[in-house]
Amino acid sequence: EADIYQTPRYLVIGTGKKITLECSQTMGHDKMYWYQQDPGMELHLIHYSYGVNSTEKGDLSSESTVSRIRTEHFPLTLESARPSHTSQYLCASSRWGPGNEQFFGPGTRLTVL
Amino acid sequence: AQTVTQSQPEMSVQEAETVTLSCTYDTSESDYYLFWYKQPPSRQMILVIRQEAYKQQNATENRFSVNFQKAAKSFSLKISDSQLGDAAMYFCALYNFNKFYFGSGTKLNVKP
Repeated sequence: EADIYQTPRYLVIGTGKKITLECSQTMGHDKMYWYQQDPGMELHLIHYSYGVNSTEKGDLSSESTVSRIRTEHFPLTLESARPSHTSQYLCASSRWGPGNEQFFGPGTRLTVL
Repeated sequence: AQTVTQSQPEMSVQEAETVTLSCTYDTSESDYYLFWYKQPPSRQMILVIRQEAYKQQNATENRFSVNFQKAAKSFSLKISDSQLGDAAMYFCALYNFNKFYFGSGTKLNVKP
């Protein structure tokens, strides 16, 4: 198992709530990523970071925001959750350099009612 | 644009037999990396095998091997001596421009 953690694993909330999905890794990786994945479907990159104070938007438009204040921590925030945000969110990290393996967290399955 | 296509949404294989999962991709770059990832039910995604595009030799990892055809932009995964634990979603991925691009996945069923 990779040393990358996500909390909570499951979250059911009502529309309009603010939520933060946590992601932490203990491998000292510079690069971190957030993906959105509907069950049995492909992964869509929504945010990534090259290191502290670096954040970039991915290819899939998202209403979420991220921050990278510490190397090991890359939280994702939804200011006002909506039913369309219902999905699985996967966090991943990798060492600096081209083509290095991504290590994935266990995911957070979010349901917005 | 970078795209990855997996044309087999679901496949089945008998335990101990061999199965091949297909993947094609599109990129205008000559230097890139290709991956196969495995996502078991309710478990973390893990790396199966990695291929560097500038290497002509096909990567192998124990029972897993790839057939990398750069000109055809094809990257298939062969699983030999299939085991029950191989049952999972398999994702093909292309690494380019600091990002990973994933295919839609192939669900592999292994029959005892």
